[in-house]
Amino acid sequence: GEDVEQSLFLSVREGDSSVINCTYTDSSSTYLYWYKQEPGAGLQLLTYIFSNMDMKQDQRLTVLLNKKDKHLSLRIADTQTGDSAIYFCAVSNDYKLSFGAGTTVTVRA
Amino acid sequence: GAGVSQTPSNKVTEKGKYVELRCDPISGHTALYWYRQSLGQGPEFLIYFQGTGAADDSGLPNDRFFAVRPEGSVSTLKIQRTERGDSAVYLCASSRDNQETQYFGPGTRLLVL
Repeated sequence: GEDVEQSLFLSVREGDSSVINCTYTDSSSTYLYWYKQEPGAGLQLLTYIFSNMDMKQDQRLTVLLNKKDKHLSLRIADTQTGDSAIYFCAVSNDYKLSFGAGTTVTVRA
Repeated sequence: GAGVSQTPSNKVTEKGKYVELRCDPISGHTALYWYRQSLGQGPEFLIYFQGTGAADDSGLPNDRFFAVRPEGSVSTLKIQRTERGDSAVYLCASSRDNQETQYFGPGTRLLVL
């Protein structure tokens, strides 16, 4: 099946930018997603990118996709304490989502 | 509008018991999915419904797990003879059709003692 890898932890100072990276193996993935999970909660869709795009910006969020290297990143500008959470990269193969293990982002004052 | 809802939010049971987990998708969403999230991991696909039928149940770990969606809306995930290894968060998601974005519910936290 699809293999999705993410680094496990990221610590960032409030106000700085956060960059979360993800690599995947299936080049036929059509949509690539970023979900956010806060403690005890479900998954909140943050943003997604279609595989024929290389960049998408949505307010403080910027998604970059390098299809050749099968690398996806999420940049959060001006990181706030409310951004502390686990961030999951997910890639779609038809209807099935394959997730990474999640990156825990800790925002320090 | 209302999102995906799941009940119960928490379930504690004893090894060997039977449990049912319920999912109410977003109104009008024809596709429904179940995922399982173990501690420290990302969600893993279990089963996908298109309408009333299970179009893909390849992620169900064994025949103790079964899911239904009799009227094409609410779905129930059923686990027989629960084992401690079944302890996880069970997430439900729905989408307008199977190529659209999946929206997740808050999950049911199952603990098997």
